[in-house]
Amino acid sequence: SQTIHQWPATLVQPVGSPLSLECTVEGTSNPNLYWYRQAAGRGLQLLFYSVGIGQISSEVPQNLSASRPQDRQFILSSKKLLLSDSGFYLCAWRGQGTYEQYFGPGTRLTVT
Amino acid sequence: QKEVEQDPGPLSVPEGAIVSLNCTYSNSAFQYFMWYRQYSRKGPELLMYTYSSGNKEDGRFTAQVDKSSKYISLFIRDSQPSDSATYLCATNRGSTLGRLYFGRGTQLTVWP
Repeated sequence: SQTIHQWPATLVQPVGSPLSLECTVEGTSNPNLYWYRQAAGRGLQLLFYSVGIGQISSEVPQNLSASRPQDRQFILSSKKLLLSDSGFYLCAWRGQGTYEQYFGPGTRLTVT
Repeated sequence: QKEVEQDPGPLSVPEGAIVSLNCTYSNSAFQYFMWYRQYSRKGPELLMYTYSSGNKEDGRFTAQVDKSSKYISLFIRDSQPSDSATYLCATNRGSTLGRLYFGRGTQLTVWP
């Protein structure tokens, strides 16, 4: 069966510090991968998606970036965090030929 | 107009009640419809997934889609305190990119 992991689970970082969040998927090949942010009281905002290694599309211009160095690994990064980057970051995957997405446990980021 | 509209609630019902959660969408190109359940501080979990108009039943849960009125519903029978969560509806166009459009979620509390 497929499993999706995210780490760390929680993170508290000062403004201006760098960020690296990691997501890995097990039990499937060539998944589509997605990064979302969920702010308190707001819906899910799609940040990035990837259809393959090294292929990243951005939905929202901001100081975040994403990379996919391996088939089942997706990384969200920032060089300098802003207060507005605080939120709940979710990684999701979708299998080829399907339409439903499966989410990871999330990373709660607080920028102070 | 937002792609998917969902009343955020909160909704509070007694144990054993029938719960009705609803969403409307604006684009007739949407073809696939999903309901996710999200417990506090957890990632969303896929509950139901349907393609066609009509009803799909899974245990105490029934997903209903009316494409003519662009209306989707989730019914929960014999609701339990463990059903207390935020429920998100989602839909997509069936494109290869698989982008999902989410409602903002309805917060449900089932009290004993």
